[in-house]
Order: sequence, then C-alpha cells, then structure tokens
Amino acid sequence: DAGITQSPRYKITETGRQVTLMCHQTWSHSYMFWYRQDLGHGLRLIYYSAAADITDKGEVPDGYVVSRSKTENFPLTLESATRSQTSVYFCASTGQNYEQYFGPGTRLTVT
Amino acid sequence: AQSVTQPDIHITVSEGASLELRCNYSYGATPYLFWYVQSPGQGLQLLLKYFSGDTLVQGIKGFEAEFKRSQSSFNLRKPSVHWSDAAEYFCAVGPYYGQNFVFGPGTRLSVLP
Repeated sequence: DAGITQSPRYKITETGRQVTLMCHQTWSHSYMFWYRQDLGHGLRLIYYSAAADITDKGEVPDGYVVSRSKTENFPLTLESATRSQTSVYFCASTGQNYEQYFGPGTRLTVT
Repeated sequence: AQSVTQPDIHITVSEGASLELRCNYSYGATPYLFWYVQSPGQGLQLLLKYFSGDTLVQGIKGFEAEFKRSQSSFNLRKPSVHWSDAAEYFCAVGPYYGQNFVFGPGTRLSVLP
C-alpha cells in the first residue's frame, strides 16, 4: 500500500536499552522527518533528512541517531533509552508544495 | 527565528456553533502556512495551506483560514462545527533549512452535543 508506515506502533523498553523505530514511505519523497510529541510541547523535530545519506539535527537530537541508506527508509535509534524519551514519535515525509505526510506514530514507553 | 503561537490550549464549542482557532507566527519573509488536524491516536492530516495569492484559503471538511500579514496571523475558521471535528489542531510555518516547518503547540477542540 502506498503511504508512510511506522513500526512498531507500541513499544515498552527498559532504561539503557537500544531501541530502533522504523519508518518507511512509498512515494520516494526526498525529505523525511522524525518528531516527538509530548503534552504541552506540540511536535518537536528530532532529525531530518534531505535525501539518502544526508541527515541533519533538529531541535532535540540528543540521545538519538538516524541513518538513511535508502530513500524510502528512515530509522530512528535511541542508543541508550532514558525515561525522558517516553513519548509518541512521528515520522513524516514531504510531498509537493511542502505538504507533510505523517505516519500513524509509535508510542514508546521507557521504564 | 521562526516560531508559532497558538494562544488557546483548549477550546470547547457546542455542535453547530462557529469556530475560530488562532495562530500567530514569527517568520523573516513571506511564510508558507499550514493547518493540520490530529484525531486521537492518529498522525496529523493536512487541512489547508497558504503560499501566496488570495489570503482566504479553503480546506477540507469545511474549514477555511485567513492570512493577515499585518497581524502575523493565520486563523482557522469553520462556520458550523460537527462532533467529528473534535481533535487537536496544529498550525505550522516555514520553510527553513530546506523543507522544515515549525509547529505550534496545538489547540485541543472539544465539541458539546
């Protein structure tokens, strides 16, 4: 199916563990984004990518790593999860006219 | 620096009443402006966008927004709210550093029957 998908949809992990959140889009959009959504903060940009092998930090990149070896995939890794990284994570890609298409989100709980 | 303010954290309206959600922005040039809606447990969906031209733009689900450069505002309106409009609404401004946009903190809309 065309679109943008995220996996897993829900994840519970322990402090200190490494976690990878997956994002896949089928449109071949150049730009992709990772946001976290927390109550009172709206959406905050973690990392973005302008194309394969081109990534850059957003507003809140500490504790996160991204890669983009293929245009369609943009995984986000929490190297050593902390409780402050408990959040809902959204992946998005940009189509024509800067419109962002969002995935359904991953709800991550770090215990 | 670019920023977005949505002064109302939570708004409650009765079904059938009119709605206006406020958005104020700071941006160094003529902005591109968006409104997105997020239903519970879902990702964000585009409602409407403004790039240039007519300052009143129409979107999906009967929503419209008006760009007022002098007030740095892009308020979202709907003449008659339906119960299904209950959701969180986000305003966004940009672009910067390529195709990045800044999102406001969101306004949660509740609809009374």
